[in-house]
Amino acid sequence: GDSVTQMEGPVTLSEEAFLTINCTYTATGYPSLFWYVQYPGEGLQLLLKATKADDKGSNKGFEATYRKETTSFHLEKGSVQVSDSAVYFCALSGRQETSGSRLTFGEGTQLTVNP
Amino acid sequence: NAGVTQTPKFQVLKTGQSMTLQCAQDMNHEYMSWYRQDPGMGLRLIHYSVGAGITDQGEVPNGYNVSRSTTEDFPLRLLSAAPSQTSVYFCASSYSWGLNSPLHFGNGTRLTVT
Repeated sequence: GDSVTQMEGPVTLSEEAFLTINCTYTATGYPSLFWYVQYPGEGLQLLLKATKADDKGSNKGFEATYRKETTSFHLEKGSVQVSDSAVYFCALSGRQETSGSRLTFGEGTQLTVNP
Repeated sequence: NAGVTQTPKFQVLKTGQSMTLQCAQDMNHEYMSWYRQDPGMGLRLIHYSVGAGITDQGEVPNGYNVSRSTTEDFPLRLLSAAPSQTSVYFCASSYSWGLNSPLHFGNGTRLTVT
């Protein structure tokens, strides 16, 4: 079945540091890929997505590129802020019509940014 | 705009008790779903619904029941709570069940079963 593997956390960075959170996946066909973010005490919010190979999703300074050859969708940001402290989830949705909005999530990576 | 509303926010149950977690959305979304979030395991799909009167099982459905009598509401029922059901539960909805409809999540219900 489909699966998503994220780098182990937690990750602690200083403000303005470069961020990379690794995500690799296993899926049949050609899934769509997502990054969701969860701020303390809240539900998950969609951060960015990519629906086909070589697509780059971007939002709020975060970027991720859909790499079919390495089955990866790594999240990056050039300069993190304290307000970026949150849990980040990588997820995929299968291409088959019956999958619809059913998402398979990774285990999440806790990011803490210190001033 | 309330979005996805979950109640209660916190609940403590004893083993064997039953309860219903409520979920309501005011966005006229067709698709609704329930996930549980456990440390080191991410979110796992419990049940989902693609429209009123239609429900289906997700990855971890055992011990949970759902129904979808209206578009707005999608309650999750625990018939006989077990300690293994201690978790944070999230309800999520989307406009359709297609790939271009992002999920909107509620703020979660933290359930402890003793």
